Amino acid sequence: DAKTTQPTSMDCAEGRAANLPCNHSTISGNEYVYWYRQIHSQGPQYIIHGLKNNETNEMASLIITEDRKSSTLILPHATLRDTAVYYCIVPSGGGADGLTFGKGTHLIIQP
Amino acid sequence: DTAVSQTPKYLVTQMGNDKSIKCEQNLGHDTMYWYKQDSKKFLKIMFSYNNKELIINETVPNRFSPKSPDKAHLNLHINSLELGDSAVYFCASSLSGSNQPQHFGDGTRLSIL
Repeated sequence: DAKTTQPTSMDCAEGRAANLPCNHSTISGNEYVYWYRQIHSQGPQYIIHGLKNNETNEMASLIITEDRKSSTLILPHATLRDTAVYYCIVPSGGGADGLTFGKGTHLIIQP
Repeated sequence: DTAVSQTPKYLVTQMGNDKSIKCEQNLGHDTMYWYKQDSKKFLKIMFSYNNKELIINETVPNRFSPKSPDKAHLNLHINSLELGDSAVYFCASSLSGSNQPQHFGDGTRLSIL
């Protein structure tokens, strides 16, 4: 899997947008960027993925730079339940052989 | 309407025992996975499996073996349990092919006494 770099931790005020950055400078042209999160004592949860274009679903938005070397996950109106570890993953082979999780970003939503 | 379910949620046993963890998915997926999350919280792939191919992470001891009775189930058998096997084990599933999101169960916390 392409290496990704994320900040270790971030804080965000409840109700504000949480912007989580990820660097993936070695990404190949056909590799997708995936975001998962793990809330304490639960299994990882898929959030969103994208290739080139920006993506949005009911959970979040994903902004990918034009050179594809970095991306930002945006939670538009963060709630306390969004406190979790967020993982940015660029799986080789599309992840069919399994995902490689790094340390992720521990996002803490402050009341 | 649980998508990926694992049983048991907690498993406490002694060294040397043999145990199994069950995983079932009702999403119609044809590929399933087992991951291990150790005390340092790193998640690592152990196996990925569909009806065509089993891919094993080379670091997984052969005491661990996945068994799939059908597409909806992938059970994990562990022989001769060791202290270092204590961890949380997660099952996941996806459609086959590249770039398919994986859906995870809530994990089985295995504690070896």
